[in-house]
Amino acid sequence: QVQLVESGGGLVKPGGSLRLSCAASGFTFSDHYMSWIRQAPGRGLEWISYITSSGSATYYADSVKGRFTISRDNTKNSLYLQMNTLRVEDTAVYYCARDPDTANKVDYWGQGTLVTVSS
Amino acid sequence: DVVMTQSPLSLPVTLGQPASISCRSSQSLLYRDGNTYLSWFQQRPGQSPRRLIYQVSNRDSGVPDRFSGSGSGTDFTLKISRVEAEDVGVYYCMQGVYWPPITFGQGTRLEIK
Repeated sequence: QVQLVESGGGLVKPGGSLRLSCAASGFTFSDHYMSWIRQAPGRGLEWISYITSSGSATYYADSVKGRFTISRDNTKNSLYLQMNTLRVEDTAVYYCARDPDTANKVDYWGQGTLVTVSS
Repeated sequence: DVVMTQSPLSLPVTLGQPASISCRSSQSLLYRDGNTYLSWFQQRPGQSPRRLIYQVSNRDSGVPDRFSGSGSGTDFTLKISRVEAEDVGVYYCMQGVYWPPITFGQGTRLEIK
C-alpha cells in the first residue's frame, strides 16, 4: 500500500532554516510527480510546491518562491523541502502528497510534520 | 489563479440525514482530454486529508457508497446520503487543471447536530 512518511519538522526561529523529508513506499516513486501542501493551525490547505517525476522541473506558490526548494532522490524514494528564511506565517503542518496522473494532481497524503516558527 | 468557493462553510447535520456541499470554480474544470478534474477530500479531526472523489464522480477505493459527487464545468456537489458519526470533519474540493497553483476550497466543516 502507498505510504508517505514526513519527518524533519520542529521549532525554528524566524529567519532560520529547516529541511523536511518524505519517505515513499508501496509504489514506483520515480513514476510520480509529487507535491508539498501545508496547513496552518486551524486553517485550510495550501499547495506550496510541486516537482516532476525526474526532478527536472519544479514549481512554487508565490508565498514561498525564492525561500523554499523542493527536490527528490529517486534512488532513495525520497522527497525533500528545504525551507530558508522562515517566517512566523510559515508555521503549519507540512504534508507530502502524490500526484496520480494527468490533472488529478493529488491522491495520497502523508501524516504531516509540524513546523513552528517562533522566537 | 482559479478560485474554489465552497458553501456552506459550516454544516450541522442530524445522524442519518443527507448532507450536501457545493463547490464552485472560477473557471471551467473541463480539461483538454475531455475529462473534468475536480476532487473531494475529507479531513477527520487530527488526521491528514483523504481523497474521496476524483474526476467529479469517481469514488476512491474503500469510500462508502453513501458519498457521491456530481457536477460539470464550474459547479460541483458532494453528497452524503445518510450521515454517520465517522463523517465528522472538514471537506475540501480541489482543482488541478490550472496549475500552478493547485487550489483548494476553503473547507466545509460537517458536524453532528
